[in-house]
Amino acid sequence: ILNVEQSPQSLHVQEGDSTNFTCSFPSSNFYALHWYRWETAKSPEALFVMTLNGDEKKKGRISATLNTKEGYSYLYIKGSQPEDSATYLCAFLYSGAGSYQLTFGKGTKLSVIP
Amino acid sequence: DTEVTQTPKHLVMGMTNKKSLKCEQHMGHRAMYWYKQKAKKPPELMFVYSYEKLSINESVPSRFSPECPNSSLLNLHLHALQPEDSALYLCASSTTSGRSPSRTDTQYFGPGTRLTVL
Repeated sequence: ILNVEQSPQSLHVQEGDSTNFTCSFPSSNFYALHWYRWETAKSPEALFVMTLNGDEKKKGRISATLNTKEGYSYLYIKGSQPEDSATYLCAFLYSGAGSYQLTFGKGTKLSVIP
Repeated sequence: DTEVTQTPKHLVMGMTNKKSLKCEQHMGHRAMYWYKQKAKKPPELMFVYSYEKLSINESVPSRFSPECPNSSLLNLHLHALQPEDSALYLCASSTTSGRSPSRTDTQYFGPGTRLTVL
Protein backbone atom coordinates (compact mmCIF):
# COMPACT_ATOMS: atom_id res chain seq x y z
CA ILE A 1 0.00 0.00 0.00
CA LEU A 2 1.47 3.33 -1.04
CA ASN A 3 1.40 6.11 1.48
CA VAL A 4 0.93 9.73 0.49
CA GLU A 5 1.13 11.99 3.53
CA GLN A 6 0.05 15.61 3.70
CA SER A 7 0.78 17.99 6.52
CA PRO A 8 -0.59 19.80 8.28
CA GLN A 9 -4.06 18.27 8.23
CA SER A 10 -5.59 21.72 8.62
CA LEU A 11 -4.52 25.26 9.23
CA HIS A 12 -5.99 28.67 9.78
CA VAL A 13 -4.21 31.78 8.53
CA GLN A 14 -5.02 35.47 8.50
CA GLU A 15 -5.81 37.18 5.22
CA GLY A 16 -2.58 38.44 3.72
CA ASP A 17 -0.36 35.82 5.36
CA SER A 18 1.69 33.48 3.23
CA THR A 19 1.58 29.78 3.96
CA ASN A 20 2.87 26.45 2.74
CA PHE A 21 2.15 22.78 3.18
CA THR A 22 3.79 19.50 2.38
CA CYS A 23 3.07 16.35 0.44
CA SER A 24 5.31 13.31 1.02
CA PHE A 25 5.28 10.31 -1.29
CA PRO A 26 7.36 7.21 -2.07
CA SER A 27 10.43 8.10 -4.12
CA SER A 28 10.37 4.87 -6.15
CA ASN A 29 8.30 4.28 -9.32
CA PHE A 30 7.56 7.99 -9.50
CA TYR A 31 5.62 9.09 -12.56
CA ALA A 32 3.97 12.40 -11.68
CA LEU A 33 2.66 14.44 -8.75
CA HIS A 34 -0.66 16.25 -8.97
CA TRP A 35 -2.01 19.06 -6.80
CA TYR A 36 -5.75 19.71 -6.61
CA ARG A 37 -7.77 22.43 -4.93
CA TRP A 38 -11.14 21.29 -3.58
CA GLU A 39 -13.74 23.73 -2.37
CA THR A 40 -16.69 22.38 -0.41
CA ALA A 41 -19.57 21.14 -2.61
CA LYS A 42 -17.52 21.70 -5.78
CA SER A 43 -15.33 19.52 -8.00
CA PRO A 44 -11.65 19.08 -7.19
CA GLU A 45 -9.81 21.47 -9.51
CA ALA A 46 -6.42 20.60 -10.94
CA LEU A 47 -3.70 23.09 -9.97
CA PHE A 48 -0.43 21.54 -11.10
CA VAL A 49 1.02 18.39 -12.61
CA MET A 50 4.70 18.01 -11.79
CA THR A 51 6.94 15.42 -13.36
CA LEU A 52 10.61 16.35 -13.05
CA ASN A 53 12.84 16.58 -10.01
CA GLY A 54 13.36 20.25 -9.24
CA ASP A 55 10.17 21.30 -11.05
CA GLU A 56 8.67 24.57 -9.94
CA LYS A 57 5.20 25.59 -11.09
CA LYS A 58 3.32 28.83 -10.50
CA LYS A 59 -0.28 29.91 -10.95
CA GLY A 60 -0.97 33.41 -9.70
CA ARG A 61 -0.20 33.49 -5.97
CA ILE A 62 0.12 29.71 -5.74
CA SER A 63 3.32 27.85 -6.50
CA ALA A 64 4.68 24.35 -5.99
CA THR A 65 8.05 22.62 -5.93
CA LEU A 66 9.00 18.98 -6.40
CA ASN A 67 11.79 16.81 -5.03
CA THR A 68 11.44 13.28 -6.40
CA LYS A 69 14.68 12.00 -4.87
CA GLU A 70 13.54 12.61 -1.32
CA GLY A 71 9.84 12.24 -2.10
CA TYR A 72 8.21 15.54 -1.24
CA SER A 73 6.42 18.50 -2.78
CA TYR A 74 5.62 21.87 -1.25
CA LEU A 75 2.65 24.06 -2.10
CA TYR A 76 3.02 27.77 -1.33
CA ILE A 77 0.31 30.41 -1.20
CA LYS A 78 1.48 34.00 -1.09
CA GLY A 79 -0.77 36.66 0.49
CA SER A 80 -3.66 34.29 1.31
CA GLN A 81 -7.16 35.48 0.48
CA PRO A 82 -10.49 34.17 1.84
CA GLU A 83 -11.21 32.63 -1.57
CA ASP A 84 -8.14 30.41 -1.10
CA SER A 85 -10.02 28.56 1.63
CA ALA A 86 -10.28 24.98 0.41
CA THR A 87 -8.79 21.53 0.86
CA TYR A 88 -5.57 21.05 -1.08
CA LEU A 89 -5.02 17.48 -2.21
CA CYS A 90 -1.88 16.00 -3.61
CA ALA A 91 -1.94 12.79 -5.64
CA PHE A 92 0.98 10.58 -6.57
CA LEU A 93 0.89 8.89 -9.95
CA TYR A 94 3.03 5.81 -9.87
CA SER A 95 3.84 3.08 -12.34
CA GLY A 96 3.59 -0.52 -11.29
CA ALA A 97 2.07 -3.88 -12.26
CA GLY A 98 1.26 -2.70 -15.77
CA SER A 99 -0.91 0.24 -14.82
CA TYR A 100 -0.71 3.75 -13.48
CA GLN A 101 -2.86 4.96 -10.64
CA LEU A 102 -3.36 8.13 -8.67
CA THR A 103 -2.99 7.69 -4.93
CA PHE A 104 -4.28 10.64 -2.96
CA GLY A 105 -3.26 12.15 0.32
CA LYS A 106 -5.92 13.13 2.86
CA GLY A 107 -5.48 16.78 2.05
CA THR A 108 -4.66 19.97 3.91
CA LYS A 109 -7.70 22.04 4.81
CA LEU A 110 -6.88 25.75 4.63
CA SER A 111 -9.11 28.38 6.20
CA VAL A 112 -8.23 32.02 5.52
CA ILE A 113 -9.68 34.38 8.10
CA PRO A 114 -10.67 37.82 6.76
CA ASP B 1 -16.23 22.70 -21.80
CA THR B 2 -14.02 21.24 -19.05
CA GLU B 3 -16.89 20.07 -16.91
CA VAL B 4 -17.65 16.64 -15.57
CA THR B 5 -21.23 16.38 -14.36
CA GLN B 6 -22.63 13.88 -11.90
CA THR B 7 -26.20 13.07 -10.99
CA PRO B 8 -27.75 12.91 -8.54
CA LYS B 9 -25.95 15.19 -6.09
CA HIS B 10 -27.41 13.32 -3.14
CA LEU B 11 -28.88 9.84 -2.89
CA VAL B 12 -30.43 8.04 0.05
CA MET B 13 -31.20 4.37 -0.45
CA GLY B 14 -32.14 1.30 1.51
CA MET B 15 -30.11 -1.88 1.51
CA THR B 16 -32.58 -3.61 -0.80
CA ASN B 17 -32.81 -0.81 -3.35
CA LYS B 18 -31.25 -0.68 -6.81
CA LYS B 19 -30.03 2.72 -7.94
CA SER B 20 -27.55 4.19 -10.41
CA LEU B 21 -25.08 7.04 -10.35
CA LYS B 22 -24.39 8.86 -13.59
CA CYS B 23 -21.38 10.74 -14.87
CA GLU B 24 -20.99 12.65 -18.12
CA GLN B 25 -18.17 14.51 -19.88
CA HIS B 26 -17.95 16.10 -23.30
CA MET B 27 -14.22 16.76 -23.45
CA GLY B 28 -13.52 13.80 -25.74
CA HIS B 29 -11.70 12.02 -22.93
CA ARG B 30 -11.25 8.28 -23.40
CA ALA B 31 -10.54 7.35 -19.79
CA MET B 32 -13.13 7.59 -17.03
CA TYR B 33 -12.83 6.75 -13.36
CA TRP B 34 -14.92 6.07 -10.27
CA TYR B 35 -13.51 6.99 -6.86
CA LYS B 36 -14.96 6.53 -3.41
CA GLN B 37 -14.25 8.94 -0.59
CA LYS B 38 -15.17 8.30 3.03
CA ALA B 39 -15.10 11.13 5.55
CA LYS B 40 -11.59 12.28 6.50
CA LYS B 41 -10.03 9.80 4.07
CA PRO B 42 -8.47 10.33 0.65
CA PRO B 43 -10.37 9.42 -2.53
CA GLU B 44 -9.80 5.74 -3.40
CA LEU B 45 -9.89 4.41 -6.93
CA MET B 46 -12.64 1.89 -7.69
CA PHE B 47 -12.75 1.45 -11.47
CA VAL B 48 -11.07 2.73 -14.61
CA TYR B 49 -12.57 2.60 -18.08
CA SER B 50 -10.35 3.06 -21.08
CA TYR B 51 -11.96 3.38 -24.50
CA GLU B 52 -15.23 2.18 -22.98
CA LYS B 53 -13.67 -1.02 -21.66
CA LEU B 54 -13.08 -1.79 -18.00
CA SER B 55 -9.33 -1.72 -17.53
CA ILE B 56 -8.93 -1.54 -13.76
CA ASN B 57 -11.17 -2.94 -11.02
CA GLU B 58 -9.67 -2.37 -7.60
CA SER B 59 -11.25 -5.47 -6.03
CA VAL B 60 -14.56 -3.69 -5.61
CA PRO B 61 -17.48 -5.82 -4.31
CA SER B 62 -19.93 -6.96 -6.97
CA ARG B 63 -22.73 -4.91 -5.42
CA PHE B 64 -21.07 -2.05 -7.35
CA SER B 65 -21.40 -2.56 -11.09
CA PRO B 66 -19.87 -0.02 -13.48
CA GLU B 67 -21.02 0.53 -17.04
CA CYS B 68 -19.68 2.71 -19.83
CA PRO B 69 -22.39 2.87 -22.53
CA ASN B 70 -20.41 5.33 -24.67
CA SER B 71 -17.32 7.50 -24.51
CA SER B 72 -19.15 10.35 -22.74
CA LEU B 73 -21.09 8.43 -20.12
CA LEU B 74 -20.17 6.39 -17.10
CA ASN B 75 -22.66 4.75 -14.77
CA LEU B 76 -22.30 3.04 -11.44
CA HIS B 77 -25.12 0.62 -10.66
CA LEU B 78 -25.75 -0.03 -7.00
CA HIS B 79 -27.54 -3.04 -5.55
CA ALA B 80 -27.80 -4.49 -2.06
CA LEU B 81 -25.46 -1.93 -0.58
CA GLN B 82 -24.42 -1.84 3.06
CA PRO B 83 -24.45 1.17 5.39
CA GLU B 84 -20.63 1.21 5.28
CA ASP B 85 -20.88 2.00 1.55
CA SER B 86 -22.14 5.46 2.46
CA ALA B 87 -19.60 7.87 1.00
CA LEU B 88 -18.96 10.52 -1.63
CA TYR B 89 -18.61 8.93 -5.07
CA LEU B 90 -16.48 10.93 -7.46
CA CYS B 91 -16.23 10.51 -11.19
CA ALA B 92 -13.26 11.74 -13.21
CA SER B 93 -12.07 11.68 -16.79
CA SER B 94 -8.77 12.15 -18.57
CA THR B 95 -7.36 12.12 -22.05
CA THR B 96 -5.34 8.93 -21.60
CA SER B 97 -5.94 5.80 -19.63
CA GLY B 98 -4.62 4.20 -16.49
CA ARG B 99 -2.72 1.68 -18.60
CA SER B 100 -0.55 4.21 -20.39
CA PRO B 101 -1.16 7.78 -19.34
CA SER B 102 0.81 10.78 -20.41
CA ARG B 103 2.91 12.11 -17.51
CA THR B 104 1.17 15.47 -17.70
CA ASP B 105 -2.36 14.16 -18.18
CA THR B 106 -4.83 15.65 -15.72
CA GLN B 107 -7.90 14.00 -14.31
CA TYR B 108 -10.96 16.25 -14.31
CA PHE B 109 -13.39 15.56 -11.52
CA GLY B 110 -17.11 15.95 -11.08
CA PRO B 111 -18.56 17.32 -7.83
CA GLY B 112 -19.55 13.87 -6.62
CA THR B 113 -22.69 12.10 -5.45
CA ARG B 114 -23.18 11.95 -1.69
CA LEU B 115 -24.62 8.48 -1.04
CA THR B 116 -26.27 7.43 2.19
CA VAL B 117 -27.28 3.80 2.69
CA LEU B 118 -29.81 3.22 5.43
